[in-house]
Amino acid sequence: DSGVTQTPKHLITATGQRVTLRCSPRSGDLSVYWYQQSLDQGLQFLIQYYNGEERAKGNILERFSAQQFPDLHSELNLSSLELGDSALYFCASSPSTREAFFGQGTRLTVV
Amino acid sequence: AQKITQTQPGMFVQEKEAVTLDCTYDTSDQSYGLFWYKQPSSGEMIFLIYQGSYDEQNATEGRYSLNFQKARKSANLVISASQLGDSAMYFCAMRVSNTGNQFYFGTGTSLTVIP
Repeated sequence: DSGVTQTPKHLITATGQRVTLRCSPRSGDLSVYWYQQSLDQGLQFLIQYYNGEERAKGNILERFSAQQFPDLHSELNLSSLELGDSALYFCASSPSTREAFFGQGTRLTVV
Repeated sequence: AQKITQTQPGMFVQEKEAVTLDCTYDTSDQSYGLFWYKQPSSGEMIFLIYQGSYDEQNATEGRYSLNFQKARKSANLVISASQLGDSAMYFCAMRVSNTGNQFYFGTGTSLTVIP
């Protein structure tokens, strides 16, 4: 168990809909990273938050947004969903530059 | 630009044998970290081992060791005494301080351990 909790584990939704993925980092970790893993794109960095503030942005679509709350949990919002958004979405938290722990992921299927 | 290259899409190893998974990286930064993660069929990403760019000794964690050759920009993972439970995807990743410590991942190597 990495200590990073992601909910839900599985999500099936229709095109055009909006979903929210939730991540609770390890206790005390201030950094949260979101990644998307798809068969054709591999693991892609989406966005990073540090103590509530956006720190770095990767290949995140405008239809996607995220935030980190005062209790350090983070949410990734995906809207106007398309079939191509089907993927495994990971959250990771990092206590230091030498470690980073991933949650079990949320498997999103858009039908 | 930062890049991780894993050239072995699939590897097979006999149980109890050692196996080396290749990883090369590219960065112009002097301060970076190299990681290996294991992803079994269940999908979770399991942290295996870390090597810092300034670490002089190769990292070891149980049956995992990282063969770090800085001049060649390679960070190969060595798994000794392979077990059936080692069958999984293995990802090499790099983290660079100057880019907010985000991870850059390779495409992965699928390892199958044969009984």
